[in-house]
Amino acid sequence: EAGVTQFPSHSVIEKGQTVTLRCDPISGHDNLYWYRRVMGKEIKFLLHFVKESKQDESGMPNNRFLAERTGGTYSTLKVQPAELEDSGVYFCASSPKAFSTDTQYFGPGTRLTVL
Amino acid sequence: TQLLEQSPQFLSIQEGENLTVYCNSSSVFSSLQWYRQEPGEGPVLLVTVVTGGEVKKLKRLTFQFGDARKDSSLHITAAQPGDTGLYLCAGEASNYQLIWGAGTKLIIKP
Repeated sequence: EAGVTQFPSHSVIEKGQTVTLRCDPISGHDNLYWYRRVMGKEIKFLLHFVKESKQDESGMPNNRFLAERTGGTYSTLKVQPAELEDSGVYFCASSPKAFSTDTQYFGPGTRLTVL
Repeated sequence: TQLLEQSPQFLSIQEGENLTVYCNSSSVFSSLQWYRQEPGEGPVLLVTVVTGGEVKKLKRLTFQFGDARKDSSLHITAAQPGDTGLYLCAGEASNYQLIWGAGTKLIIKP
């Protein structure tokens, strides 16, 4: 069974540009999470989808970040316009059943560098 | 705001030595998880502790959850070079969010 995949693995963009990160969770997983790790700091929660619905987006930094999960399958996280402080590693994770404490399986992350 | 303080941030020891990594908080968590992360990969779950005072063992790794469910420790006995990596603790908050420690970068020298 394929694990969580993320695309791209690296992205380097200039301040003001737009970037879209993609996450493909493990097939059939209801829960999809986005996290971010800024250099030297701890991983921080961004948001949680249950199927196609946003269950908790309290960790989203501001309205430059937009996440979607089409049909409850893959998810995208768009940053528009990107700022320097958005640089970091963005992780996606999925877990099987909605509203349970199943193990979260993490993707390899997308390293975003904003110049 | 719930925080998890993880220490030490960096540890370099010789093969065969023992070590302990700590995660401490003033908040209560419903569970606490320990992960290991390799370069270029995402965190991989090692263990989840749920009950106050719980101890779990994974070969040479011993994980303990504090009685009050506010702190946890990871003890490695007779460390091996293969144990080298980034170890992360994460507490589960009531809304299913994970609150993360900053990580411990562990290097075991042969």
